[in-house]
Amino acid sequence: KAGVTQTPRYLIKTRGQQVTLSCSPISGHRSVSWYQQTPGQGLQFLFEYFSETQRNKGNFPGRFSGRQFSNSRSEMNVSTLELGDSALYLCASSLEIDRANGYTFGSGTRLTVV
Amino acid sequence: QKEVEQDPGPLSVPEGAIVSLNCTYSNSAFQYFMWYRQYSRKGPELLMYTYSSGNKEDGRFTAQVDKSSKYISLFIRDSQPSDSATYLCAMSRRTSGSARQLTFGSGTQLTVLP
Repeated sequence: KAGVTQTPRYLIKTRGQQVTLSCSPISGHRSVSWYQQTPGQGLQFLFEYFSETQRNKGNFPGRFSGRQFSNSRSEMNVSTLELGDSALYLCASSLEIDRANGYTFGSGTRLTVV
Repeated sequence: QKEVEQDPGPLSVPEGAIVSLNCTYSNSAFQYFMWYRQYSRKGPELLMYTYSSGNKEDGRFTAQVDKSSKYISLFIRDSQPSDSATYLCAMSRRTSGSARQLTFGSGTQLTVLP
């Protein structure tokens, strides 16, 4: 059974650019969440999608956005990149959003902004 | 003050030791409690999740929840060098409708010495 797949694994971008990250959840999982992980702040919740609808959003600026497609695949976009956006971006999928079966994480996309 | 507090360590123990990892929380709305293990350059991997106060055992791992004290623990018996990783506690609460959000501790870095 394939796990959560995130692409690309590594990215280097210049300040001011924008970036799109992709996440393919486990087959059958309809909930996809995104997290930002940094050494200083740890894992912080960005947003959650379920059946193409954003159900929840964390405390991040509007430069961070996402969407989910009909096949449950999800993308997140960061516009006008800042140096502080350098982080590991993790995607997690879950079978149902109203049950704590646990979330399965991908290996993440490591974004470096220079 | 963070909603979830976790001692960042680092924690170093000899092989075979019993390891105790702990988290405290302040938000009574947390309903589900999880422990994740994260190896370097990988996404977090779900180890255990619990709902009610008490103990839950799975092999060498025991998760303990005390809702009255807002305190959770993970015990690792007969620790192995392969257990060397960062351990993250996580807690889930309902935010709106059926949406849930995970809040993570900062993680404890564990090294098991052969």
